[in-house]
Amino acid sequence: DAGVIQSPRHEVTEMGQEVTLRCKPISGHDYLFWYRQTMMRGLELLIYFNNNVPIDDSGMPEDRFSAKMPNASFSTLKIQPSEPRDSAVYFCASRVAVSGNTIYFGEGSWLTVV
Amino acid sequence: QKEVEQDPGPLSVPEGAIVSLNCTYSNSAFQYFMWYRQYSRKGPELLMYTYSSGNKEDGRFTAQVDKSSKYISLFIRDSQPSDSATYLCAIRGSNYKLTFGKGTLLTVNP
Repeated sequence: DAGVIQSPRHEVTEMGQEVTLRCKPISGHDYLFWYRQTMMRGLELLIYFNNNVPIDDSGMPEDRFSAKMPNASFSTLKIQPSEPRDSAVYFCASRVAVSGNTIYFGEGSWLTVV
Repeated sequence: QKEVEQDPGPLSVPEGAIVSLNCTYSNSAFQYFMWYRQYSRKGPELLMYTYSSGNKEDGRFTAQVDKSSKYISLFIRDSQPSDSATYLCAIRGSNYKLTFGKGTLLTVNP
């Protein structure tokens, strides 16, 4: 299995631009999570989906952030407009309900907003 | 008070040392306790999990949970340079929402 696949791995963008991060979860997994990691705040859950339906988006910092999961094999996290304080590593993760507590993380998308 | 507190370190030890990593948490509703390991520029990977007070052992790693004190620990015996990574504690309640500590950076020197 290829694991959770994220793209792009690295992105540098100018303030005000739209950023779209993409995630392909592990096939058969029914939960998908978006996390953000910074030195100051650590790893924070932004939103998670179950069977493509958003369950909890209370961690999404503000309206500039949005996430979609149009099907079981694809999700996007969009930031519009981007700001320098959005610079972070964004991780996508997935799990299958029967696997207990094992959540599999992708390698992350490293975002720098200048 | 943060839900999960973890000493960020960094922690530097010689090869072969016993390493102790710790977290405290505030919400007694938390039921599941996990340790993740994160190598540089990689995503976290699950190392161990437990849901009860007491010890759980897996090779050189032992996870310990004390629910009465809201304290969890990870011990690494005979530490190796390959153990050098950031270790994150993670805790969750009845839903699937994990709350992570900020992580402790460990370096094991050969």
